[in-house]
Amino acid sequence: EVQLMESGGGLVQPGGSLRLSCAASGFTFSSSWMTWIRQAPGQGLEWVANVKQDGSVKYYRDSVRGRFIISRDNVENSVYLQMNSLRAEDTGVYFCVRDDASGYYEYWGQGTLVTVSS
Amino acid sequence: EIVMTQSPATLSVSPGERAALSCRASQNVRSNLAWYQQKPGQAPRLLIYGASTRATGVPARFIGSGSGTDFILTINSLQSEDFAVYYCHQYTSGKTFGQGTKVEIK
Repeated sequence: EVQLMESGGGLVQPGGSLRLSCAASGFTFSSSWMTWIRQAPGQGLEWVANVKQDGSVKYYRDSVRGRFIISRDNVENSVYLQMNSLRAEDTGVYFCVRDDASGYYEYWGQGTLVTVSS
Repeated sequence: EIVMTQSPATLSVSPGERAALSCRASQNVRSNLAWYQQKPGQAPRLLIYGASTRATGVPARFIGSGSGTDFILTINSLQSEDFAVYYCHQYTSGKTFGQGTKVEIK
């Protein structure tokens, strides 16, 4: 059974940092692109970043590029999102998602809540 | 960026009736279109991929259709567990989602 378990969310002040983690199991982690998707309170889904199987290629949405860093550890079967210079508009639930080779998202974690507020 | 527009924003339907949800892409996405269902406090659930292929375990009352720029998710004979928010998602160029359609009980 595929499982994705996020952790690391919480309350942080504007300008602060937070590191999200996602522990994966039930599939060959090193064979999958991995993605972070977020959802602001009461809003829709927003793709944030993804990372290639070996970590050599990373993509970011424009609004987080230069502030967020996605990484992975194929020994620990984990993917991370280092979030720096956080803004109020970064508030939301962050989901860890496994990329299907075709591009859609079949497996999601339960999400971790990030609140950026003073 | 490809913009996905869903309509209506809210759809009021009685149990047992049919619901038709629309999703329009600002550019041709071929059949690279997925639909998700999300209930409060839960992660989205994949319903349809490839515009019309049901994901594992998805009931046959969920039907996806369309290609190119115009897509429809039809839910036949709505059940109580179907009242939720539905999102479309294109994965042809980058990854973008529609803003969602809430299906509520009439």
